Amino acid sequence: KQEVTQIPAALSVPEGENLVLNCSFTDSAIYNLQWFRQDPGKGLTSLLLIQSSQREQTSGRLNASLDKSSGRSTLYIAASQPGDSATYLCAVTNQAGTALIFGKGTTLSVSS
Amino acid sequence: DGGITQSPKYLFRKEGQNVTLSCEQNLNHDAMYWYRQDPGQGLRLIYYSQIVNDFQKGDIAEGYSVSREKKESFPLTVTSAQKNPTAFYLCASTRTGGVTEAFFGQGTRLTVV
Repeated sequence: KQEVTQIPAALSVPEGENLVLNCSFTDSAIYNLQWFRQDPGKGLTSLLLIQSSQREQTSGRLNASLDKSSGRSTLYIAASQPGDSATYLCAVTNQAGTALIFGKGTTLSVSS
Repeated sequence: DGGITQSPKYLFRKEGQNVTLSCEQNLNHDAMYWYRQDPGQGLRLIYYSQIVNDFQKGDIAEGYSVSREKKESFPLTVTSAQKNPTAFYLCASTRTGGVTEAFFGQGTRLTVV
């Protein structure tokens, strides 16, 4: 059964710092991996989608990488800002390709 | 603008009541999903539907029911059989199954009173 783990569970950094969030999954037979952002009491906002054939995706200050063979993905946030404070969730497709399986998230706090 | 609309935002349920959470999408997506989120637990899949008039149980379907009579709509009923329904419920959709980008609604917070 696919399991997704995110480390660390919480992270606090000063504004301007570059940071990396980690995601690992137990079964490398995935269709894609998606990173989301969630603000308190809100739904999920899609940040980046990496297809299984891709190695990375970039959007603005965000860069996500995928290493299927090792079961790992990283989300790199450059020049962090207080507005980046949120919970970041990683999800992969299940083995049937029918639904997403989520990690428990990393809660990021960026102080000014 | 295309998107997913969940209503209501807040819902209160008395013991023994059934309540229905609404989820509507205008993205023309085939697949729709319901997830439950509890503090420290992450998101867990309740039900999903890949096509109209068909749906499958997820990991925690007991005490819940769904219908998919229209492509745009996927309501979730929380029945009295669900013993611990207080949670944040999230609806999502994808164009085709789990292999394409997922989009989420803003959630419904259900509280038992």
